[in-house]
Amino acid sequence: DGGITQSPKYLFRKEGQNVTLSCEQNLNHDAMYWYRQDPGQGLRLIYYSQIVNDFQKGDIAEGYSVSREKKESFPLTVTSAQKNPTAFYLCASSSPRLTGGGRQPQHFGDGTRLSIL
Amino acid sequence: GQQVMQIPQYQHVQEGEDFTTYCNSSTTLSNIQWYKQRPGGHPVFLIQLVKSGEVKKQKRLTFQFGEAKKNSSLHITATQTTDVGTYFCAGGRDSNYQLIWGAGTKLIIKP
Repeated sequence: DGGITQSPKYLFRKEGQNVTLSCEQNLNHDAMYWYRQDPGQGLRLIYYSQIVNDFQKGDIAEGYSVSREKKESFPLTVTSAQKNPTAFYLCASSSPRLTGGGRQPQHFGDGTRLSIL
Repeated sequence: GQQVMQIPQYQHVQEGEDFTTYCNSSTTLSNIQWYKQRPGGHPVFLIQLVKSGEVKKQKRLTFQFGEAKKNSSLHITATQTTDVGTYFCAGGRDSNYQLIWGAGTKLIIKP
């Protein structure tokens, strides 16, 4: 089955620690995204990548870093500079091909819940 | 920057009543997509609207895109327990593949 796999499902971070969230897709999508969702809130874009070896900051990139060395992988590192990392992190991917003037829908993984110890 | 406002934040309905959520953008959108997120789950794509004034239906769900392509609505007729979740609109930008997400409307069925 094609899809997006995020791991781990739950993650705990200690003070001063960097942690990396994994996101792998086998949908052959060029574009990948990382979102943060806080309880009762919408999705806020952290980083996105439209092609391998290229990525752009979203609305809340401070304290986070990403890499895109392979088409299928887009890991997110939550650094110690992110002072309030507790949230639900969602990875998504989409094909860039236009469909009648629109955009291809985004497909999401099951998410990673990050908490501070 | 560009924003999409979505109201209401919550809507409590009795099973069988109707439900509506509205999205309004500060700028013209190239398209709008709707997603549903079940409790504890991830957003799942429902539909996309592209044309000015477009109306699409999926069984009991009716989606509309305004004439100016700045607003959209989702209406559910005769809600069922399976409709519970949070409904998000997300507007497309012409310049890239990002979506501008509304804050979502949570549909709650009263016991």
